[in-house]
Amino acid sequence: GAVVSQHPSWVICKSGTSVKIECRSLDFQATTMFWYRQFPKQSLMLMATSNEGSKATYEQGVEKDKFLINHASLTLSTLTVTSAHPEDSSFYICSARGGKDHGYTFGSGTRLTVV
Amino acid sequence: QQQVKQSPQSLIVQKGGISIINCAYENTAFDYFPWYQQFPGKGPALLIAIRPDVSEKKEGRFTISFNKSAKQFSLHIMDSQPGDSATYFCAANQAGTALIFGKGTTLSVSS
Repeated sequence: GAVVSQHPSWVICKSGTSVKIECRSLDFQATTMFWYRQFPKQSLMLMATSNEGSKATYEQGVEKDKFLINHASLTLSTLTVTSAHPEDSSFYICSARGGKDHGYTFGSGTRLTVV
Repeated sequence: QQQVKQSPQSLIVQKGGISIINCAYENTAFDYFPWYQQFPGKGPALLIAIRPDVSEKKEGRFTISFNKSAKQFSLHIMDSQPGDSATYFCAANQAGTALIFGKGTTLSVSS
């Protein structure tokens, strides 16, 4: 089945630094990747949609200069949280669309804590 | 505007019972309706999904019922087990677009 690998699974960083999260589709080419953010006991909120080789489309209210998304290949998308602040602490989850049935597969998520 | 409304927020079911979670959507262009299961600290995993050309789909203990005219769909978990205790999310989308999630239901199955 389709597998999406997301790394790191957790990261702690100091306020003001940047953190990069990787999302890889291991056994299929992902035509589209999505990035979600989830606060404790809440639902997944879409942050942005990215297609390989083009700029990401951000949802309203998401700062594109703060959350940099790069989708350089059909198997890799990265999310960089720049100048992180404690309020950026959250669970970030990627999703990739592709495979034989063009389904949606989710990564295992990254717990970001900014101190 | 919440496009997918999910209820209940939490649910307690005895082992062996039936768990029922409901969702309603607003966008008639939606054509894919999946249910996801999420354990703490993990990403959501697809349980079962349905498209609007059928009214019911069953996979093992999990069944989706779909009512196109009412714009509603539900998840039934038969013979609920303690291992089913998790958060369940319904979602919906139009082909190729991002999934829109409901707010989630925390299911606790008591043994």
